[in-house]
Amino acid sequence: RKEVEQDPGPFNVPEGATVAFNCTYSNSASQSFFWYRQDCRKEPKLLMSVYSSGNEDGRFTAQLNRASQYISLLIRDSKLSDSATYLCVVNNRSGGSNYKLTFGKGTLLTVNP
Amino acid sequence: NAGVTQTPKFRVLKTGQSMTLLCAQDMNHEYMYWYRQDPGMGLRLIHYSVGEGTTAKGEVPDGYNVSRLKKQNFLLGLESAAPSQTSVYFCASSWGRLNQPQHFGDGTRLSIL
Repeated sequence: RKEVEQDPGPFNVPEGATVAFNCTYSNSASQSFFWYRQDCRKEPKLLMSVYSSGNEDGRFTAQLNRASQYISLLIRDSKLSDSATYLCVVNNRSGGSNYKLTFGKGTLLTVNP
Repeated sequence: NAGVTQTPKFRVLKTGQSMTLLCAQDMNHEYMYWYRQDPGMGLRLIHYSVGEGTTAKGEVPDGYNVSRLKKQNFLLGLESAAPSQTSVYFCASSWGRLNQPQHFGDGTRLSIL
């Protein structure tokens, strides 16, 4: 099983739609989780952290399921500007008090007018 | 408020030439990273550093060297460029601890002819 695995998509949705992405991770001891977005030919940017109890930031909701080892991202009322690649990121202990982020390959979302 | 700055933004090299990519961060972060991103491959970690004067190999270190002589700078060197090193290179920095995300520079597009 890959360390971090995502459905590459593409997901094509109309404006206003609700869309959800899942991401699975292999290390049951993974400590923390993030969603990044990456626009075409740009750098990855932090979208939101994922907390154990789930968290929401405006139209975006992130959930963590430790038992099944997956995290999810839900986008409500999709906007054209949400079109991007969404990267799932898992933080694991790499020795001592150090941590290492592992990035998924990303899920491509296109929101159509 | 520069964050992470990469230079140069673009470069074209001939096979066998050498060059150095510079990454500078002004956030006093302990950790710095170099990634390459190729179509369909996602972000792959080349080398990273957990502090001034320290470096470590990542997932794809061959053909690259790095140095971290100052805390704010992380240099990536290509000693003898090969066409397989044509890629987009991203530098990132972080605190390297739990729940701490990485902050990325805007990338260097490198073509090796």
